Amino acid sequence: SQTIHQWPATLVQPVGSPLSLECTVEGTSNPNLYWYRQAAGRGLQLLFYSVGIGQISSEVPQNLSASRPQDRQFILSSKKLLLSDSGFYLCAWSPVGYGYTFGSGTRLTVV
Amino acid sequence: AQSVTQLGSHVSVSEGALVLLRCNYSSSVPPYLFWYVQYPNQGLQLLLKYTSAATLVKGINGFEAEFKKSETSFHLTKPSAHMSDAAEYFCAVNYQGGKLIFGQGTELSVKP
Repeated sequence: SQTIHQWPATLVQPVGSPLSLECTVEGTSNPNLYWYRQAAGRGLQLLFYSVGIGQISSEVPQNLSASRPQDRQFILSSKKLLLSDSGFYLCAWSPVGYGYTFGSGTRLTVV
Repeated sequence: AQSVTQLGSHVSVSEGALVLLRCNYSSSVPPYLFWYVQYPNQGLQLLLKYTSAATLVKGINGFEAEFKKSETSFHLTKPSAHMSDAAEYFCAVNYQGGKLIFGQGTELSVKP
């Protein structure tokens, strides 16, 4: 069966520090991968999605970037965090054309 | 273009009462529709999905939803609310390979 792993679960980082969140999927190949963010009291905002290795599409201009170095690995990064980057970050995967399976999320607090 | 509207950002029901969470969609092509549930500080869990088969879809935890093309709706219901149903619920739509479009979410509170 397919599983998705996302870590860390919580993270507190100072303003200006770098960020790296990792997401991996097991039990499938060539999944579509997604990074979402939930700010407090708001809905889900799609940040990035990827349909293959090295293929990244950005939905909104921001302080973050994403990479897909391997088929089942998706990384969210920042060189310098801002206070506004705080939120709950969710990774998800899908086979083409169906609903998504989400990871357990990372609560990022920038202080 | 596709979009999803969830009516009511907060819904409160008493334990044992009917749960009704409303979702309307806009799509120029036959959609796939989904309901997800999110408990605090957790990821989203798929409750049920409609992918052009039966219009009444049964999901986990006693929830079901009915696809009504004439009303462009996909409302989520549960006959009797339980305290453990308190969570945030998201309706979503996509079409064969397109990105999933989420509604803004509805927070369900269950009163004892």
